[in-house]
Amino acid sequence: ETGVTQTPRHLVMGMTNKKSLKCEQHLGHNAMYWYKQSAKKPLELMFVYNFKEQTENNSVPSRFSPECPNSSHLFLHLHTLQPEDSALYLCASSQDLGRGSTEAFFGQGTRLTVV
Amino acid sequence: AQKVTQAQTEISVVEKEDVTLDCVYETRDTTYYLFWYKQPPSGELVFLIRRNSFDEQNEISGRYSWNFQKSTSSFNFTITASQVVDSAVYFCALIGVQGAQKLVFGQGTRLTINP
Repeated sequence: ETGVTQTPRHLVMGMTNKKSLKCEQHLGHNAMYWYKQSAKKPLELMFVYNFKEQTENNSVPSRFSPECPNSSHLFLHLHTLQPEDSALYLCASSQDLGRGSTEAFFGQGTRLTVV
Repeated sequence: AQKVTQAQTEISVVEKEDVTLDCVYETRDTTYYLFWYKQPPSGELVFLIRRNSFDEQNEISGRYSWNFQKSTSSFNFTITASQVVDSAVYFCALIGVQGAQKLVFGQGTRLTINP
């Protein structure tokens, strides 16, 4: 149990579907992150939220839309995705925003397949 | 720019052998943090260690040890007397305090321990 929970664990969606990924943390952290992990690529930072405010959008296409209603919850809304968006999407949280003084805790990820 | 290089894509050893995973980093920040994470088949990244740039002491935790060499910008990870449960993908990561403050990951090393 890492303290960061992601649902669903697996998702298969068509290119015209709309779906959402959910991340929840009960660690009292202030910062939350979405990462994308594709085969044979480094983890790519997508979005960063600090105290519910988005502080980083790493040139992510608009078909990915994040939402952070409170410090404990983070969503990633998906629409009109492409097959190349198939990947493992990891959520993480940390006490501080990127200062490295505390580690980031990761969820188990959502394995997304776009067909 | 920050960069983490894990030159070993895959390593396979027999149980009880010692194995070292290499990590070389680049950063212009004078203050930074280095991390190692383990990603088992279940998907989540499990935090193993954090080291700040001013602390070059090597660390040992059970069968795990880390060698931080600032002069060569390396932060290598050694598993002594490896076990099958050590099989996973291992990621080295870096975050600089002064710069973009993004956690940058290496490409990971897939470690397989054979019985």
